[in-house]
Amino acid sequence: GESVGLHLPTLSVQEGDNSIINCAYSNSASDYFIWYKQESGKGPQFIIDIRSNMDKRQGQRVTVLLNKTVKHLSLQIAATQPGDSAVYFCAENQAGGTSYGKLTFGQGTILTVHP
Amino acid sequence: GAGVSQSPSNKVTEKGKDVELRCDPISGHTALYWYRQSLGQGLEFLIYFQGNSAPDKSGLPSDRFSAERTGGSVSTLTIQRTQQEDSAVYLCASSFWGGKGYTFGSGTRLTVV
Repeated sequence: GESVGLHLPTLSVQEGDNSIINCAYSNSASDYFIWYKQESGKGPQFIIDIRSNMDKRQGQRVTVLLNKTVKHLSLQIAATQPGDSAVYFCAENQAGGTSYGKLTFGQGTILTVHP
Repeated sequence: GAGVSQSPSNKVTEKGKDVELRCDPISGHTALYWYRQSLGQGLEFLIYFQGNSAPDKSGLPSDRFSAERTGGSVSTLTIQRTQQEDSAVYLCASSFWGGKGYTFGSGTRLTVV
């Protein structure tokens, strides 16, 4: 079946560095992609999304890049802070049909920020 | 309420017992989703309710799992004859139609002993 996977399960960075979290997806029919942040004991929290007709979108300290040619998604966090330590999930949404609205999540990347 | 509320936050049950997990979505959100998250894993889709449409049950792992949504609001996920492999965090999320920007609850941690 279709799946979303991550290249790196763990990532450790120093405070102030930039972080890049990668994700590979396989469903070319997906129309948008979302990054979520999950802190311990909490549900995932929406960070940023991007539609399939875009290749870059910026938010506050975060940038998502989409490369449809190689089916690759990345999340860049600028000036990483200890509060950014969490598990980051990418997710893809199928376009249309009865599955519209159902997100398929990747396994997650654990980001640890050292002071 | 301001967010998605799930209850109980923790549930320990004996193998073979039935359990009910509750989700109160954000008022006005027409879509409601249940996901399951095993320790250190990603989120496994279970079921999706959208308005008055028939729910997408394609993620339910067995016929021991069922869910209903009453009045387009509160949802209950029921697991019958629980097994140890059912131990996980069960997460509920809601959104407006289209699935963009789900809001997740904090989940129910189910432990089957």
